[in-house]
Order: sequence, then C-alpha cells, then structure tokens
Amino acid sequence: DIQMSQSPTSLSASVGDRVTITCRASRSVSSYLNWYQQKPGKAPKLLIYAASNLQGGVPSRFSGSGSGTDFTLTIRSLQTEDFATYYCQQSYSNPGTFGQGTKVEIK
Amino acid sequence: QVQLVESGGGVVQPGGSLRLSCAASGFTFSSYGMHWVRQAPGKGLEWVAFTRYDGSNKYYADSVNGRFTISRDNSKNTLYLQMNSLKTEDTAVYYCAKDFALCGNNPDAFDIWGQGTMVTVSS
Repeated sequence: DIQMSQSPTSLSASVGDRVTITCRASRSVSSYLNWYQQKPGKAPKLLIYAASNLQGGVPSRFSGSGSGTDFTLTIRSLQTEDFATYYCQQSYSNPGTFGQGTKVEIK
Repeated sequence: QVQLVESGGGVVQPGGSLRLSCAASGFTFSSYGMHWVRQAPGKGLEWVAFTRYDGSNKYYADSVNGRFTISRDNSKNTLYLQMNSLKTEDTAVYYCAKDFALCGNNPDAFDIWGQGTMVTVSS
C-alpha cells in the first residue's frame, strides 16, 4: 500500500494568514492526489482533485500543487470557516489511502 | 440536489452482523462507482470498499476483506455494506461516498458524501 504522510499534524493560525499543508506519498502517485476538508461532526468535503483542480463551489483561496510524491495545499487568506481538519488522499492505486490529517486551529 | 443518506447503523456485539444502506438521489446512480469510508472515533479516514458503477468490480481494504461485502441495486439507487464477523475495531462512523469519475473503471476521488451512520461493536 502507498503510505501518505501529512505535515504538520496541527497548526495554529490567524484569520488572514497564508497556510500551507504538505502531503508526501511513499512512492509516486503521479497527480492522483486529492484534498478534503472536514469540520467536527460533519462529513468530509472534496476541495481539490487531481493535485491542482479546484472542485466546484470551493473558494479560490484554496489551491493545490505538486506531482509524484510531494504535494501542497495552500489557503491564501485564512477565513473563520476554514478552521477544520484537512486530509490528503491518493487515488493512484488501491487502497486509496489517506494522510493522517492536519488540524487547523485558531491562534 | 445530489444527496446520499446512510442508514442501518447501531450497536452490535462482537461477531455479529449489520447491513448498512445508502440511498442516492439527484444524480445518475448507475453511472458512478461508489465507496464506503469509515472514521473511528477521534481518528482519521479509512477507505473500506468500492464497487464499480455496474457492480462488476469490487475492491476491499485488507482490514475488512472476507468479512464485509459491498453491493448495489441500481434499480433502487441504493448502495449496501454487509458487515459480518464484526470486531471492536470496526467501531466507526461509516460514510458512503460517490466516486468522482463517470463510468470509471477504478476508484477516484470522493466528490459527494453522506452524513454518516455510526456503528458500535461492543459487548
């Protein structure tokens, strides 16, 4: 199985900050990398698919980049509603493994 | 609107069985693969199973292979997960999720999720 590792596991940030979350795969997943946002008690929501494509309805302050083994999710100007846990997931091979998550908290 | 609604969760003893259902609406169910994904309390996400849009291919996580069976009824727009020989470590919220790709042969991203149903395995 491909192992996915996110860093950091948690971070504290202020409204308006630029936030970057990194995801690393144990071997190449090409561009088959997706990002999800999950708020407490809610289902995850797809933000970015295929490494850099913004899902419909997702604010443009979210962006994704990377290919191969190293990927980044960037939130350009953090808003109150962005405080949540973020997961990366590879869909290159079965099983479609997730990273352990990154919790973004209010500073 | 596009919607997935899970049901069937509950409390069951170790070794017991449970069947989850997921009712889909607002999209052409028979054209999309479907997944089950679970989340143990306070933990991260774990993919459980996938069925191709026509039910011809199915994949399972090693942790459930041989115990869980994913199936679908395209005439009823419903996805199922039959869970047998349940273990305490199967305790989790179970989400059904729609695959991103139209008539995809292999699993892709999960673009629509249900609200989840809680399964508790405890004596």
